[in-house]
Amino acid sequence: EAGVTQFPSHSVIEKGQTVTLRCDPISGHDNLYWYRRVMGKEIKFLLHFVKESKQDESGMPNNRFLAERTGGTYSTLKVQPAELEDSGVYFCASSQVGRARNEQFFGPGTRLTVL
Amino acid sequence: AQSVTQLGSHVSVSEGALVLLRCNYSSSVPPYLFWYVQYPNQGLQLLLKYTSAATLVKGINGFEAEFKKSETSFHLTKPSAHMSDAAEYFCAVSGSRRDDKIIFGKGTRLHILP
Repeated sequence: EAGVTQFPSHSVIEKGQTVTLRCDPISGHDNLYWYRRVMGKEIKFLLHFVKESKQDESGMPNNRFLAERTGGTYSTLKVQPAELEDSGVYFCASSQVGRARNEQFFGPGTRLTVL
Repeated sequence: AQSVTQLGSHVSVSEGALVLLRCNYSSSVPPYLFWYVQYPNQGLQLLLKYTSAATLVKGINGFEAEFKKSETSFHLTKPSAHMSDAAEYFCAVSGSRRDDKIIFGKGTRLHILP
């Protein structure tokens, strides 16, 4: 069974540009989470989808970040316009609803560098 | 609110020596606790999890952790370090709601000395 996949693995953009990150969860996982780790800091929660609905978006830093999960399968996270402080590693995770004591499976992350 | 504190951002141990990575948690409800590991150039992998079934939790690669409510601790140990254990380790706690977000500590980078 394929794990959580993320694309791209790395992205280098200039300040002011737009970047879209993609996450494909494990098949059958209705929960999808986005997390971010900026350099030197802890991994922090951004938002949580259940199927296509946003369950919790309390961690989204500002309105330059837009997450979608149309159809309840893969998700995209768009940053527009990107700022220097957006640099970091963006992780996606998925889990089955209400199962296995909230065990989330993480993807390899997308390393975003904003110059 | 839930939180975790990891003591030591870097820990070095000799190959074959005991590994001890410290984690203390704060939670207003019975917590779900986790240790994740990130090997170089890889994603986060679950090492083990505590879900109240047993206080001593065994994980992959010979790691284990003991939940101590009186000390609000969930330290990670391994009797004998291998070079392949060099990685960054994250202690984490799940929020109180079902399927809630995971709250991570700052991470501890483990260095193995030959």
